[in-house]
Amino acid sequence: EVQLVESGGGLVQPGGSLRLSCAASGFTFDDYAMHWVRQAPGKGLEWVSRISWNSGTIDYADSVKGRFTISRDNAKNSLYLQMNSLRAEDTALYYCAKEYSSGWPYLDYWGQGTLVTVSS
Amino acid sequence: DIQMTQSPSSLSASVGDRVTITCRASQSIASYLNWYQQRPGKAPNLLIYGASTLQSGVPSRFSGGGSGTDFTLTISSLQPEDFATYYCQQSYRTRRTFGQGTKVEIK
Repeated sequence: EVQLVESGGGLVQPGGSLRLSCAASGFTFDDYAMHWVRQAPGKGLEWVSRISWNSGTIDYADSVKGRFTISRDNAKNSLYLQMNSLRAEDTALYYCAKEYSSGWPYLDYWGQGTLVTVSS
Repeated sequence: DIQMTQSPSSLSASVGDRVTITCRASQSIASYLNWYQQRPGKAPNLLIYGASTLQSGVPSRFSGGGSGTDFTLTISSLQPEDFATYYCQQSYRTRRTFGQGTKVEIK
């Protein structure tokens, strides 16, 4: 059974940093690209970042580029999101998601999310 | 970035109704379009990928269509468990983007 379990969320002051983790199990982690997607309270889904299976290709949304860094450790079956210079608008539930591609890429498994609150 | 625009933002419908949601891309994305359902307090769940292929386990009352810039998600006969928010997402570019969502509410 595929499982994605996020951790590392919490309350942080504006300008602060936080590192999110996503522990993956139930599939061959290093075969798949992974994503972070966030959802502000009461709002829609916002794609944040993607990392390819071997970390060779990394992309970010403009809203986080230069402040967030996605990484992965295939030996530990883990995905990370280092978030620096946090702003109030980064407050959201952060999901990690697995990408499957049979020619048509899609997010087939999602974690339950970890909540990040940026407030003084 | 490719912008995805859904319409309507919300709709009210009754059990048994046929419902159609539209998603428009700011540029052609061929058939690289996915649909997700999100129930309150839950993570999103994939319904359709490649614009029209139903994910395994998804009821056949859901269907998707379109290509290029205009896409639709249709629920042929709305069931109580379908009241949720629906999102389209393009996978044409690695910088994936979602539509703003369509909330389907009970009339």
